[in-house]
Amino acid sequence: DAKTTQPNSMESNEEEPVHLPCNHSTISGTDYIHWYRQLPSQGPEYVIHGLTSNVNNRMASLAIAEDRKSSTLILHRATLRDAAVYYCILRSWGKLQFGAGTQVVVTP
Amino acid sequence: DTEVTQTPKHLVMGMTNKKSLKCEQHMGHRAMYWYKQKAKKPPELMFVYSYEKLSINESVPSRFSPECPNSSLLNLHLHALQPEDSALYLCASSRLGQGHDEQFFGPGTRLTVL
Repeated sequence: DAKTTQPNSMESNEEEPVHLPCNHSTISGTDYIHWYRQLPSQGPEYVIHGLTSNVNNRMASLAIAEDRKSSTLILHRATLRDAAVYYCILRSWGKLQFGAGTQVVVTP
Repeated sequence: DTEVTQTPKHLVMGMTNKKSLKCEQHMGHRAMYWYKQKAKKPPELMFVYSYEKLSINESVPSRFSPECPNSSLLNLHLHALQPEDSALYLCASSRLGQGHDEQFFGPGTRLTVL
């Protein structure tokens, strides 16, 4: 299965943007790039996904490199409620294999 | 209704007990999943059901026995567990199980094996 690499943690000030990088150099043509987040004491929550083009939704934006070997999740204005572990995952069929994720800390 | 429900929320069991975890969704999803999550670790996939048939078993020990009696319900039967099986057990569902499908997760069952 293709693997992702993320920084262990990132810190941001409240109302500032957060850019979360993810490297996935072994991505295959059929892999979708998914992002999930897990708040403390909750199940993971879907954030966004994409294949080749950049994507936006109400939660975040996903910027995908042209060669698809890396991507960046952008939280436009971090709030205290965005403090969570963010997982970047490659998925083609069936499996959702979680990597270690990035712990995002938001300070007021 | 975009919710996945799991019962019970907490479960304490001895190593000789038999218990079951239950997961339910009413979104019409045809793929359902069990994950195991140890403290401060990412979730690990255990089983995938597609159209009520087991499609993926990630080499899980036989003391964990999944069951999908219908398209809305997923069970995980537990027997002769070990203390190291204590973890958060997460259930999820998705529309068809394809690469672009979003997975919806339940809140999990916190299992403690004594």
